[in-house]
Amino acid sequence: SAVISQKPSRDICQRGTSLTIQCQVDSQVTMMFWYRQQPGQSLTLIATANQGSEATYESGFVIDKFPISRPNLTFSTLTVSNMSPEDSSIYLCSVETAGGQGDTQYFGPGTRLTVL
Amino acid sequence: AQSVTQPDIHITVSEGASLELRCNYSYGATPYLFWYVQSPGQGLQLLLKYFSGDTLVQGIKGFEAEFKRSQSSFNLRKPSVHWSDAAEYFCAVNTGGFKTIFGAGTRLFVKA
Repeated sequence: SAVISQKPSRDICQRGTSLTIQCQVDSQVTMMFWYRQQPGQSLTLIATANQGSEATYESGFVIDKFPISRPNLTFSTLTVSNMSPEDSSIYLCSVETAGGQGDTQYFGPGTRLTVL
Repeated sequence: AQSVTQPDIHITVSEGASLELRCNYSYGATPYLFWYVQSPGQGLQLLLKYFSGDTLVQGIKGFEAEFKRSQSSFNLRKPSVHWSDAAEYFCAVNTGGFKTIFGAGTRLFVKA
């Protein structure tokens, strides 16, 4: 398993501003994922981040809006840029502990973002 | 394309009663199957997973799930529900790649 922490746990932001969310894992992992969970909805994958390479974005998500950094095997950041009220969601960091062969994903506690 | 269906948006059960949450998937082979729970304001916690072998899987908090290949189902069960089980439950499928697909979730309400 893996223990994942996220900062901040919640924030209220003004439209047009940006917020960077940090994700820290207690062990080295290859695969890290960022999800969005809009109110009352399931999880939507934003992007997959491997250390040392560019993040891979899912359809409907672009790097200019959601830039991701992955400087090492235990840390990643997601920035929500030029925010609008539609970005109000829970953002979840997740890791897969081995190899991408259908292994288990573990989740952080989430960052609850409200955009006014 | 692979998909996961949780037919029940919400379910209400009495404390002490049994529980079954339904999950169906669409995939040509046997995928890896998971159940997660999300308490209000929290992240997702893994309850149990099925990769292969025994089709009845035991998880944490007294939950179990049964994989039925013929029905493409992976239903979650608990014999006696506690008030603390009230949460959102997500079924998820991974077909061997990097992407896990989540169902829409089932919200469980527990009444006294």
